[in-house]
Amino acid sequence: AQKVTQAQTEISVVEKEDVTLDCVYETRDTTYYLFWYKQPPSGELVFLIRRNSFDEQNEISGRYSWNFQKSTSSFNFTITASQVVDSAVYFCALSGYGQNFVFGPGTRLSVLP
Amino acid sequence: ETGVTQTPRHLVMGMTNKKSLKCEQHLGHNAMYWYKQSAKKPLELMFVYSLEERVENNSVPSRFSPECPNSSHLFLHLHTLQPEDSALYLCASSQDGQNTEAFFGQGTRLTVV
Repeated sequence: AQKVTQAQTEISVVEKEDVTLDCVYETRDTTYYLFWYKQPPSGELVFLIRRNSFDEQNEISGRYSWNFQKSTSSFNFTITASQVVDSAVYFCALSGYGQNFVFGPGTRLSVLP
Repeated sequence: ETGVTQTPRHLVMGMTNKKSLKCEQHLGHNAMYWYKQSAKKPLELMFVYSLEERVENNSVPSRFSPECPNSSHLFLHLHTLQPEDSALYLCASSQDGQNTEAFFGQGTRLTVV
């Protein structure tokens, strides 16, 4: 069975602080895919990143960076110099090969001015 | 035009009403999905269509009836709903059935009274 855990239910930071959102996954598949999505108050989930299980290179995109560690089954997401517009619910998701997404429960991030 | 468009954005219906949610994707994707998002619960996958065929139905009550007339359109027909069906219903599409990132609409906020 596949499972995604996001242990942090809610996080509050002050603008310009760095913040890391944790994601731990479980799967028996050797080929799988990991995703992060952002859900702002408007409701739609915005795709941020997709990684496959064979690519453990960390990725940086502007203020966003992702740390994929197979040894600990984690795919953590860091926002550097957070901004108020980063306030949203962030979801980590897992897709085994040929299977549909399993989403984590989400982490609500509040960035205070 | 946005990639995935859902209408209506908000819907209030009585338990004896019949209504339909509409989703349209302009991305040329082959797979479409319905998700339910209730307060304090993880995203629940309801239905998956791949190339207009239903490939997954996650034990959803029959009062929810999906329809996929073509690869660009997806409907969710609702009848005799219960108050606990009140939720945000999200439509998504992806290039393939699994493993590629899904793009979401803004959702329909449904309230059953």
